[in-house]
Amino acid sequence: AQSVTQPDIHITVSEGASLELRCNYSYGATPYLFWYVQSPGQGLQLLLKYFSGDTLVQGIKGFEAEFKRSQSSFNLRKPSVHWSDAAEYFCAVGEDTSGTYKYIFGTGTRLKVLA
Amino acid sequence: EAGVTQFPSHSVIEKGQTVTLRCDPISGHDNLYWYRRVMGKEIKFLLHFVKESKQDESGMPNNRFLAERTGGTYSTLKVQPAELEDSGVYFCASSENRGNIQYFGAGTRLSVL
Repeated sequence: AQSVTQPDIHITVSEGASLELRCNYSYGATPYLFWYVQSPGQGLQLLLKYFSGDTLVQGIKGFEAEFKRSQSSFNLRKPSVHWSDAAEYFCAVGEDTSGTYKYIFGTGTRLKVLA
Repeated sequence: EAGVTQFPSHSVIEKGQTVTLRCDPISGHDNLYWYRRVMGKEIKFLLHFVKESKQDESGMPNNRFLAERTGGTYSTLKVQPAELEDSGVYFCASSENRGNIQYFGAGTRLSVL
């Protein structure tokens, strides 16, 4: 069965430091991959997506992610974290089964930013 | 353009009671999804509507859960009777076409006491 693993439940970084959130997936075919962010009181907002093509994907808010097929990974990165980035981040893979298309999510990584 | 909206944002009920959650998708989006996140676990798919038809309800936990989408616009998810293990955050999402990006609401936090 398809699955997504986010090994880090909590991550704390200082403002201005770099960030990398890990995501590993298990999927039989070429995956459609997503990163979403949920800030307090907000819905899940799409940060970026990978469907095909260039394996380094740029997203909103200065985030990027790199698809590495050999490692089954899609890690999220940001060179310099801002206090407003404190939120919960979810990695997901799109599963296309007969009749429907649904997301399989990881358990999420909660990011805390120190001033 | 309004995003996906969900009502209520938080509901606290006692075991055995009934609760109805509502989702208004983005206007024009035929596809509507329900997901649920139980405390500390991953967000899991519940079901998928295309217009007013249930396309896939393989994720629905049991027959205490009933989802409807009359007229192909807003959707409701009823839990009757609610049990303690139903507590969690219920997310709704919509997409214009199957396979497109899904846009999520803020979720309804359900607490069953």
